[in-house]
Amino acid sequence: DVKVTQSSRYLVKRTGEKVFLECVQDMDHENMFWYRQDPGLGLRLIYFSYDVKMKEKGDIPEGYSVSREKKERFSLILESASTNQTSMYLCASSLSPYASGNLEQYFGPGTRLTVT
Amino acid sequence: AQKVTQAQTEISVVEKEDVTLDCVYETRDTTYYLFWYKQPPSGELVFLIRRNSFDEQNEISGRYSWNFQKSTSSFNFTITASQVVDSAVYFCALRLEYGNKLVFGAGTILRVKS
Repeated sequence: DVKVTQSSRYLVKRTGEKVFLECVQDMDHENMFWYRQDPGLGLRLIYFSYDVKMKEKGDIPEGYSVSREKKERFSLILESASTNQTSMYLCASSLSPYASGNLEQYFGPGTRLTVT
Repeated sequence: AQKVTQAQTEISVVEKEDVTLDCVYETRDTTYYLFWYKQPPSGELVFLIRRNSFDEQNEISGRYSWNFQKSTSSFNFTITASQVVDSAVYFCALRLEYGNKLVFGAGTILRVKS
C-alpha cells in the first residue's frame, strides 16, 4: 500500500514565524503535491514537483515555497506565516502520467495549521 | 481550462436512503480521467474510482455506483442504502491525459443520520 505521511496533524504558529510542513512517500512516486483545503473551495494546488529539485507553481503559490531534495520527501515552507494561511494542508503523491500503473494521487492525513 | 462543479454543498439523508452526488466537468480535451475521492472525518482523502473518457460504462461496486455521461459532461455517484459510515466529504476531480494536476470540485458534505 502507498503510504504518504505528514510530519504533524495539528500545528499552531504565530504570525511571522517560518513554518515547515514535511511530507514523505514510500512508493517511489515521481510526482508530489501540496494542496490547501478550505471550506467551500475544495482543494487548491499550491505547488507540485515532478522530480527531485524540480517544481512548478500551482494555483495559489503566493506566500509559499517548496523544497524537494530527495525523491521521497517534499517540504512546504511558509516563509512568514500569516493568519490567512490558517488552513488544512494536504500532501499527495502519484506516478508520472507517462508511467504505466495507477494514475491516482495518494494523500496524506493532512496538517491542520492555525496561525495566530 | 478545466473546471469541476459539485453544485450540492451539503446533503443530509436518513440511513438506508439512496443518495446521488452530482459532478459536472468542463474540458476541451478529448482524453481525460475522472475521479471520486472520499474524505472521512479523519481527514485523509481515500480514492474511490477512476474513469477514463473513453469508457462510458457505468460501474457498480457494492453499494456504490457511478454514472458517466459524456453527452452531459457528468460523472455522478450514487450510494445505495446509505450508512452512517458513509458520512464524509466527497470530491470529484478531473485530470488530463498527460497532465500532472488534479482539478477538484468544491466537495459535497454528506451527512447520514441514524
